[in-house]
Amino acid sequence: GAVVSQHPSWVICKSGTSVKIECRSLDFQATTMFWYRQFPKQSLMLMATSNEGSKATYEQGVEKDKFLINHASLTLSTLTVTSAHPEDSSFYICSARFTDYNEQFFGPGTRLTVL
Amino acid sequence: GQNIDQPTEMTATEGAIVQINCTYQTSGFNGLFWYQQHAGEAPTFLSYNVLDGLEEKGRFSSFLSRSKGYSYLLLKELQMKDSASYLCAVSDSNYQLIWGAGTKLIIKP
Repeated sequence: GAVVSQHPSWVICKSGTSVKIECRSLDFQATTMFWYRQFPKQSLMLMATSNEGSKATYEQGVEKDKFLINHASLTLSTLTVTSAHPEDSSFYICSARFTDYNEQFFGPGTRLTVL
Repeated sequence: GQNIDQPTEMTATEGAIVQINCTYQTSGFNGLFWYQQHAGEAPTFLSYNVLDGLEEKGRFSSFLSRSKGYSYLLLKELQMKDSASYLCAVSDSNYQLIWGAGTKLIIKP
């Protein structure tokens, strides 16, 4: 099956710093990648949809200047949390999709803790 | 608006059968997914239904009725490792996944 990796799997940072999370499709080309956030005991919340070579589409309420998304190649998308604050502490999960294929393949997630 | 409803929590006994229901109202329909998510982990794919009927895969089966906007996930011969959250998601007209809040399934010995 299709494999998606994320790096790092967990990160602890100080308030005010920036953190970059990478999402890679290892054995397929993903024209569309999705970034989700999940708070404890809550469901997945879609943050943004990113298509290779174009700007990401952010969901309502998600600050695009705070959560920078880059999808520069068919196998890599990055999410940068800028000037992180404790309320940004969450589980961030990416997923990727083939062209013309419906299923989303999920990465293992990145747990971010902002002190 | 778009809406996915599923029960918040269910409890079942090891070895038994449990059915988790999902009802949906979405703009367009391109299939319904069920995912399993253990605490602290990412979701893993369980099933996909795009036509009406029952899809069976081992101990897990998923049913879809498009006219009723309804699906269920049936888990047989429950094992303790089946304790997890089960997420229902519908692919809308833009192939965007609309997620339910998830059903936390607790398995008791």
